[in-house]
Amino acid sequence: AQTVTQSQPEMSVQEAETVTLSCTYDTSESDYYLFWYKQPPSRQMILVIRQEAYKQQNATENRFSVNFQKAAKSFSLKISDSQLGDAAMYFCAYRSAAGGNQFYFGTGTSLTVIP
Amino acid sequence: DTEVTQTPKHLVMGMTNKKSLKCEQHMGHRAMYWYKQKAKKPPELMFVYSYEKLSINESVPSRFSPECPNSSLLNLHLHALQPEDSALYLCASSQGVGGWETQYFGPGTRLLVL
Repeated sequence: AQTVTQSQPEMSVQEAETVTLSCTYDTSESDYYLFWYKQPPSRQMILVIRQEAYKQQNATENRFSVNFQKAAKSFSLKISDSQLGDAAMYFCAYRSAAGGNQFYFGTGTSLTVIP
Repeated sequence: DTEVTQTPKHLVMGMTNKKSLKCEQHMGHRAMYWYKQKAKKPPELMFVYSYEKLSINESVPSRFSPECPNSSLLNLHLHALQPEDSALYLCASSQGVGGWETQYFGPGTRLLVL
């Protein structure tokens, strides 16, 4: 089974600054998808950004971007111009392109934004 | 409309009770999921329905019984639960079951078993 590792249980960032959340994964597959989900306190989980493994170009969504290093099996999330509303638990997730419904989630990183 | 709704928001039940959790989506999605999430932990997949048929059961105890009456509705029937079953139960849906599909999550039902 695939494993997803988030080595930073907690992170903090000053408002308007940039922060990078780390994610590594282990797989023998060549085609897969990677996701970052955000779960604010007492609110529902939403998709932040996703990346297809066969695309070399890093995905971006407004202030959110990823650094995808396929050979290193690394998928970090960069949040620029951090806002108070970015405070949440962030989960990195892996999903096989071969089908199946299983998301393999990392253990999460709790992000605090300091005003 | 990209909303998945779940009722109730909170539920307290005794170990001998029978209760049900409800999940609804009107996005035309054909895959629906139940997850269990403990505090400060990632969600754990319990069940997957694809085109209203149970496609995955992740070795969940029989005291949890899923039901998909139609393509928009997903229930989770609870019976004789244990205190360790206390958790946030999340429902999610996706257009299909392909790897690229985004899952849309509901707000969850916070369950406490006494």
